[in-house]
Amino acid sequence: KNEVEQSPQNLTAQEGEFITINCSYSVGISALHWLQQHPGGGIVSLFMLSSGKKKHGRLIATINIQEKHSSLHITASHPRDSAVYICAVGWNDMRFGAGTRLTVKP
Amino acid sequence: EAQVTQNPRYLITVTGKKLTVTCSQNMNHEYMSWYRQDPGLGLRQIYYSMNVEVTDKGDVPEGYKVSRKEKRNFPLILESPSPNQTSLYFCASSREGNYGYTFGSGTRLTVV
Repeated sequence: KNEVEQSPQNLTAQEGEFITINCSYSVGISALHWLQQHPGGGIVSLFMLSSGKKKHGRLIATINIQEKHSSLHITASHPRDSAVYICAVGWNDMRFGAGTRLTVKP
Repeated sequence: EAQVTQNPRYLITVTGKKLTVTCSQNMNHEYMSWYRQDPGLGLRQIYYSMNVEVTDKGDVPEGYKVSRKEKRNFPLILESPSPNQTSLYFCASSREGNYGYTFGSGTRLTVV
């Protein structure tokens, strides 16, 4: 079993829909990261969480330390949100989930 | 502009020919790290560095070397590349404390 599990693997949504991507982990962590990778390959760090909730624009990330679970929400999704979203745990020694491929259709 | 710069972006080389992928950051970050990304395996950490002259192995260090002689640079060295090192490589950096990482644009390496 992977240390970091993401669901779903693939997600297709219509523009404007509310999207949730989930991440569960099995190890103790100091931090959890949400990353975005566009088709061109570049990786952008969206959030780093150690507790609670963070919001940036239409993106919201939450973490429940007791349940070892984090969610990434996208409100009012747009085709430009189409990307692979990757959950990672740890700090120096990061462990990565397999990613969720999101496609938002106009 | 704050950034992590990797070079080259693309490289095709032959088995056994030593190569270096450079990584440089202009943000005075303490932490730097190298990852490789492979289809079906996702991202995996190769090496990381917590500061100058402090490096440690990640999950897949075999076949790679790193050095951190200056704070801004963290080159990845493949002494004798093999085809199983064909991959997409990313360098990233971060400052000490609860901050996210900044990633380079990636280096696509093909070893034939």
